[in-house]
Amino acid sequence: GEDVEQSLFLSVREGDSSVINCTYTDSSSTYLYWYKQEPGAGLQLLTYIFSNMDMKQDQRLTVLLNKKDKHLSLRIADTQTGDSAIYFCAETVNDYKLSFGAGTTVTVRA
Amino acid sequence: DAGVTQSPTHLIKTRGQQVTLRCSPKSGHDTVSWYQQALGQGPQFIFQYYEEEERQRGNFPDRFSGHQFPNYSSELNVNALLLGDSALYLCASSFWESGAFFGQGTRLTVV
Repeated sequence: GEDVEQSLFLSVREGDSSVINCTYTDSSSTYLYWYKQEPGAGLQLLTYIFSNMDMKQDQRLTVLLNKKDKHLSLRIADTQTGDSAIYFCAETVNDYKLSFGAGTTVTVRA
Repeated sequence: DAGVTQSPTHLIKTRGQQVTLRCSPKSGHDTVSWYQQALGQGPQFIFQYYEEEERQRGNFPDRFSGHQFPNYSSELNVNALLLGDSALYLCASSFWESGAFFGQGTRLTVV
């Protein structure tokens, strides 16, 4: 995970927007992913973006990619208690191995 | 579609023993990857199988080996277990540029 870095914790009030940030080092990354992991569970693929895109929107999720700065963000609109989980950013070159960050623990407070 | 299924869900083994974990990929997926996730960390890539061959390998010792069968299912074998092998082992399947879909994992505890 040293190729991908994320902040470790984020606390957000229910109904607000959450923004989770990620930086990566490999300029040859072709795809960048966001996964969600709830306690004791596997990883759920939330969304992914191709490296030639700068934005992707999918319902409450918006992914922004700044390829020049190698910065990826995930915005969750209208955050709900069910959004409390660990969120992982991951990158891949040519769709082979995924390199993950250490994860951001998102806590949604009432 | 059952998605990616892994078995068993939990396992306890003694140091020095050997273990086999199993994975059935999502329907239509032909590529299987294995990851190790230690507590509080992100998953680490072990290896990937495609067309029954190991296509890429992460920084794991030879004690970790695998296999892919003609029906695309896969096994992960770990020999001479160490306490440090205790982790959640995740299987992911994919097809072309579909994104990797993960199973629920096998929690391995080595005592």
